[in-house]
Amino acid sequence: AQTVTQSQPEMSVQEAETVTLSCTYDTSESDYYLFWYKQPPSRQMILVIRQEAYKQQNATENRFSVNFQKAAKSFSLKISDSQLGDAAMYFCAYSRYGGSQGNLIFGKGTKLSVKP
Amino acid sequence: DSGVTQTPKHLITATGQRVTLRCSPRSGDLSVYWYQQSLDQGLQFLIQYYNGEERAKGNILERFSAQQFPDLHSELNLSSLELGDSALYFCASSDRGGPYNEQFFGPGTRLTVL
Repeated sequence: AQTVTQSQPEMSVQEAETVTLSCTYDTSESDYYLFWYKQPPSRQMILVIRQEAYKQQNATENRFSVNFQKAAKSFSLKISDSQLGDAAMYFCAYSRYGGSQGNLIFGKGTKLSVKP
Repeated sequence: DSGVTQTPKHLITATGQRVTLRCSPRSGDLSVYWYQQSLDQGLQFLIQYYNGEERAKGNILERFSAQQFPDLHSELNLSSLELGDSALYFCASSDRGGPYNEQFFGPGTRLTVL
């Protein structure tokens, strides 16, 4: 069974600085999708970024980028120029590739605090 | 606002009771997912429906059941409730069922079992 591990329960960053959140996963499949979701205090789940495992190029979305290391089964999220609004729980998630089942497998989450 | 609605927002009930959580997907989305978020178990996938049919099942207890109606809204039924069922229950929808389609999450229903 696939598993997702986030080893950092809490992280802190100064406003305008850069922070990296770690995620590792375990799967025997060669193709899959990886995601980072943000959950602010409102509890709304928001997709931050998505990576297809068959793509070697790391995904980027504005200030958010990932470092995808397939061989190491590592998928970290880098947030540049951190803003107060980035404070939230961040969840790494995995989904199998192909087929019609798109259910997500989540890590335990990392709580990110942003200091002014 | 994701376009996914869930009712009620909060639900307080007693052990042994039965409750129904309702989800309306985004307009045009055929697939609905249910997730449970608790302190103990984190975020767990429960069940997926696609256009009225069950498509995938996760760690859903036998006391729990769900269905998707012809108008595509979905209901999650929780029965014989236990204290441990207290959690935030999310519904998410996507236009199709595959993982390449972004899932849009509703605001969740907070269930408290006393």
